[in-house]
Amino acid sequence: AAGVIQSPRHLIKEKRETATLKCYPIPRHDTVYWYQQGPGQDPQFLISFYEKMQSDKGSIPDRFSAQQFSDYHSELNMSSLELGDSALYFCASSLPGFLNTEAFFGQGTRLTVV
Amino acid sequence: AQKVTQAQTEISVVEKEDVTLDCVYETRDTTYYLFWYKQPPSGELVFLIRRNSFDEQNEISGRYSWNFQKSTSSFNFTITASQVVDSAVYFCALSGDRGGTSYGKLTFGQGTILTVHP
Repeated sequence: AAGVIQSPRHLIKEKRETATLKCYPIPRHDTVYWYQQGPGQDPQFLISFYEKMQSDKGSIPDRFSAQQFSDYHSELNMSSLELGDSALYFCASSLPGFLNTEAFFGQGTRLTVV
Repeated sequence: AQKVTQAQTEISVVEKEDVTLDCVYETRDTTYYLFWYKQPPSGELVFLIRRNSFDEQNEISGRYSWNFQKSTSSFNFTITASQVVDSAVYFCALSGDRGGTSYGKLTFGQGTILTVHP
């Protein structure tokens, strides 16, 4: 069965650079969520989209922006990267009525800022 | 605000032992959903179970079982006859009901690192 696809799986960037993370949801899933998991920490909700509109926002820095495109894939753009942005970034997708199904997580993108 | 607390930071057991991971939550929602996820060393988050707040029936799936007690706001997870492959970080998570501010997004506990030794 198709799963949530995230690319790239690993990314190394220098401080002050920009990074773009991509998420391709499971077919027919129209809701996408982004989470950030720092080393040794639990995942923290960043932002979510439903039908290409932002539906909720968590503790996402102003340096980050995201959008969901017409094909429902989503991109998380991160600018002026800082060392503290090094983390595992998860994308999850779900059908409408999230709580009628579980959110399926991608394998994550490990971002290292040096 | 929602909060999930996993009291055990790390647990170490020997293979074939039973182990229980504790999870306590706080929420003001009258209807909510509880989850357990497994994160193996490879890093992905593997869904294990979702439980509705209005369904307090305990559940068993193979060697896994879950004990939901609304009266104590707990949703504990037991692995019976643990195996080395069970070694992972386990997260308990909470989401609110439709209409609430926490609908659709998961609040995770800090995670419990389980190590099963051969």
